[in-house]
Amino acid sequence: AQTVTQSQPEMSVQEAETVTLSCTYDTSESNYYLFWYKQPPSRQMILVIRQEAYKQQNATENRFSVNFQKAAKSFSLKISDSQLGDTAMYFCAYYTNAGKSTFGDGTTLTVKP
Amino acid sequence: NAGVTQTPKFRVLKTGQSMTLLCAQDMNHEYMYWYRQDPGMGLRLIHYSVGEGTTAKGEVPDGYNVSRLKKQNFLLGLESAAPSQTSVYFCAIKTGYGYTFGSGTRLTVV
Repeated sequence: AQTVTQSQPEMSVQEAETVTLSCTYDTSESNYYLFWYKQPPSRQMILVIRQEAYKQQNATENRFSVNFQKAAKSFSLKISDSQLGDTAMYFCAYYTNAGKSTFGDGTTLTVKP
Repeated sequence: NAGVTQTPKFRVLKTGQSMTLLCAQDMNHEYMYWYRQDPGMGLRLIHYSVGEGTTAKGEVPDGYNVSRLKKQNFLLGLESAAPSQTSVYFCAIKTGYGYTFGSGTRLTVV
């Protein structure tokens, strides 16, 4: 069975600083996708960044980047220059080519002014 | 959210009542999903579909049924609602880049 673990239920960071959210997963598959989603208080699920397991290069989207360690099954999210609008719950998710998905329980991030 | 529409947005049911949630996409994607999100938790997959006329069970399928008669629509049914089904329900589609979610349905079963 696939599992996704986010070991930090809550985190906080000062505005303009950098924060890293952790995610580990367990799978026996070799080809899969990993995602980070942001869920602000509006409840909307917003895709932040994605990583294909076959790619060694870490994905980057503006201030958001990942550290993908396939052998260690680790997929952390780094947010640089944190902004107040980054305050949200962040979910790590794992998807297979067959269409199944598994989400972590989330990390609540608060950006303080 | 653009492209994925869920109806209704809110609903209160009595125990034992039935209802159907509708997810509609205005694109032509094959994969559609239904999730539930309980307080303080991530999304758990209920059922999904890989194309018109197909459905498959996810992680927590008990108490739910689904149908995909038309490619654009994915319906989630509760035949006999229970308080344990109080949750926020999300529909999603798989696009070329990732997954796009609807805005959610808050369901309360009393």
